[in-house]
Amino acid sequence: QQQVKQSPQSLIVQKGGISIINCAYENTAFDYFPWYQQFPGKGPALLIAIRPDVSEKKEGRFTISFNKSAKQFSLHIMDSQPGDSATYFCAALYSGGGADGLTFGKGTHLIIQP
Amino acid sequence: KAGVTQTPRYLIKTRGQQVTLSCSPISGHRSVSWYQQTPGQGLQFLFEYFSETQRNKGNFPGRFSGRQFSNSRSEMNVSTLELGDSALYLCASSLAGLGNTIYFGEGSWLTVV
Repeated sequence: QQQVKQSPQSLIVQKGGISIINCAYENTAFDYFPWYQQFPGKGPALLIAIRPDVSEKKEGRFTISFNKSAKQFSLHIMDSQPGDSATYFCAALYSGGGADGLTFGKGTHLIIQP
Repeated sequence: KAGVTQTPRYLIKTRGQQVTLSCSPISGHRSVSWYQQTPGQGLQFLFEYFSETQRNKGNFPGRFSGRQFSNSRSEMNVSTLELGDSALYLCASSLAGLGNTIYFGEGSWLTVV
């Protein structure tokens, strides 16, 4: 059972455009939603995270939008740059612990064309 | 400040053997978690240790085990290796747990032949 569904699987965006990646979750107990960026040959790195008490969080060019009722959250990358080309993973966590730990989406391979 | 260090970076094992991977967390971090990354299944949580105790465990068979030492360094062991265990194994550390910022190492690439 895939508890976090991520789309699209791959995405091509022109330089300067907006990249949008979506995730949907099933477990309403999840209370922490991070996004990770991974470059080839490297481990994932935390990009931005949100908790369900807010609907939006912005850090620089990266914004998370969170819709608790729809059980969806998304990552927006504004003014996308070639250096943003990477694989992005959404994740969800129930902070109270349990078997799932951090549950990840399958990832989105993002390519920013110059 | 040194990051999360994983050893070895690359290794090849034969089906049926066992393997031990090592992880040194960032200094001061008490939580260490392990993940398996494959093209087909993506990133999957294996387990988390905090102060030498396993606090969370993912849905992996008992062949996958781990431990944490008093200096927060951690090891994971996979026994009776199967071809499907070929993957990138990632370790991550954080100050207090998965709900804090976790920092990943670069991983150990395991190939089972």
